[in-house]
Amino acid sequence: DAGVIQSPRHEVTEMGQEVTLRCKPISGHNSLFWYRQTMMRGLELLIYFNNNVPIDDSGMPEDRFSAKMPNASFSTLKIQPSEPRDSAVYFCASRDGGNEKLFFGSGTQLSVL
Amino acid sequence: GENVEQHPSTLSVQEGDSAVIKCTYSDSASNYFPWYKQELGKGPQLIIDIRSNVGEKKDQRIAVTLNKTAKHFSLHITETQPEDSAVYFCAASKGNSNSGYALNFGKGTSLLVTP
Repeated sequence: DAGVIQSPRHEVTEMGQEVTLRCKPISGHNSLFWYRQTMMRGLELLIYFNNNVPIDDSGMPEDRFSAKMPNASFSTLKIQPSEPRDSAVYFCASRDGGNEKLFFGSGTQLSVL
Repeated sequence: GENVEQHPSTLSVQEGDSAVIKCTYSDSASNYFPWYKQELGKGPQLIIDIRSNVGEKKDQRIAVTLNKTAKHFSLHITETQPEDSAVYFCAASKGNSNSGYALNFGKGTSLLVTP
């Protein structure tokens, strides 16, 4: 298996623009997580899905952030409009129902100028 | 919710020495405590984990200890090597994956092993 696949690896955009981050979980995994990593706050959980259903989105910073999981093999995290303080590395991770081990993607480095 | 504190934030040791990273958690219902290693430019990877019914677990040069009463757990790396240099994260969660709980991570420890 190719592991968790995230795209793009790097994204540079200007303040106010819409940003869409994409994630393909490992085939057969039924839970998907979006984390944000910064120096100040470490790894923060933004939202997670079980069987494509959002379970907890309390970590989503504000209404500018939204996440969807239309099917078991794809998820998006959207920021609209983006702000410089959104600059961070965004990780997607997945796991299967019988195992607590999380598998992380390589992350998307987002820079909002 | 669960709050995980991790110390130190940075740690520098000489090759061959031991390294210890400590974490505390707030929710007494937490029962699963993994450690992840993140190398530069990559996502975190699980290196070892421990459950609340066990006090210690060892895997070659790495070991984890858990004190449920005090609500703290530690990662021990012996005979450190330069390739151990990375950021290490502790985490805690309650329940099992079927119950839908997510991992709450500490802020990470940047470990540098100098030759």
